[in-house]
Amino acid sequence: KQEVTQIPAALSVPEGENLVLNCSFTDSAIYNLQWFRQDPGKGLTSLLLIQSSQREQTSGRLNASLDKSSGRSTLYIAASQPGDSATYLCAVTGGSYIPTFGRGTSLIVHP
Amino acid sequence: EAQVTQNPRYLITVTGKKLTVTCSQNMNHEYMSWYRQDPGLGLRQIYYSMNVEVTDKGDVPEGYKVSRKEKRNFPLILESPSPNQTSLYFCASSPRLAGAPGETQYFGPGTRLLVL
Repeated sequence: KQEVTQIPAALSVPEGENLVLNCSFTDSAIYNLQWFRQDPGKGLTSLLLIQSSQREQTSGRLNASLDKSSGRSTLYIAASQPGDSATYLCAVTGGSYIPTFGRGTSLIVHP
Repeated sequence: EAQVTQNPRYLITVTGKKLTVTCSQNMNHEYMSWYRQDPGLGLRQIYYSMNVEVTDKGDVPEGYKVSRKEKRNFPLILESPSPNQTSLYFCASSPRLAGAPGETQYFGPGTRLLVL
C-alpha cells in the first residue's frame, strides 16, 4: 500500500528565505504527484501537478521536482512571504486512481 | 465563478441520527469524490464517482453512502453516524479521473462534523 511522508512536519522561517519541502512515497508506480496548499478553515488549492513522465513544474515562486525512481518530490519556495503561511500537502495517484496524501508540512513565515 | 460548494459548513449531531452533506460543482466535471481529514492521518478518500450513476469505494467507505443522480451533485450520506465519524469532510471534483494526464482536483471549503 502506498505511503506518503512529508518532512518536516512544521517549519517556521523569517520572510525572504528560500524553502524546501520534502515528500517521499513508497510505491514508484504513480501516474502523478500533486502539491496542494491548505489554509485554515478552507479547502485545498492545487499548486502544481507533475505527471509521472515529467521531472519538474514551475509556477511563479514555486518549483516542484519529481524523482520517481527514488520516490521523492521537493517543493521549492523562493523568497518566502508571510502570505505563504499555510499547510502544504503532497498527494500521489497510482493505478487505483485513489490519491494518497501525506500529512502535510505546516509553514509559518514571519515578517 | 467556478467552484465546489458544500453544505452545511458546520454540523453537530447525535449518534444514530441520519444526515446528509451536500456537494455541488458548477464546472461540468465528470469526476467527484469525498475525503475525510483527521489529525495525524491526513486526507483519506471515502467514495468517488466517475460519472452519473457510477460510484466506487475509496479507502474508508464504511459507514457512508453516496449517490450521483445528477452530474453536478454528489451528496454524502451518514445513515447512522457514530462518534468516530467526527471529522473534517471535503468534496472534490475534476474533469476526469485523478491521475489522468493534466488533471487536477478542485476542493470544496470543507464540512466540520461533530457526532456526540
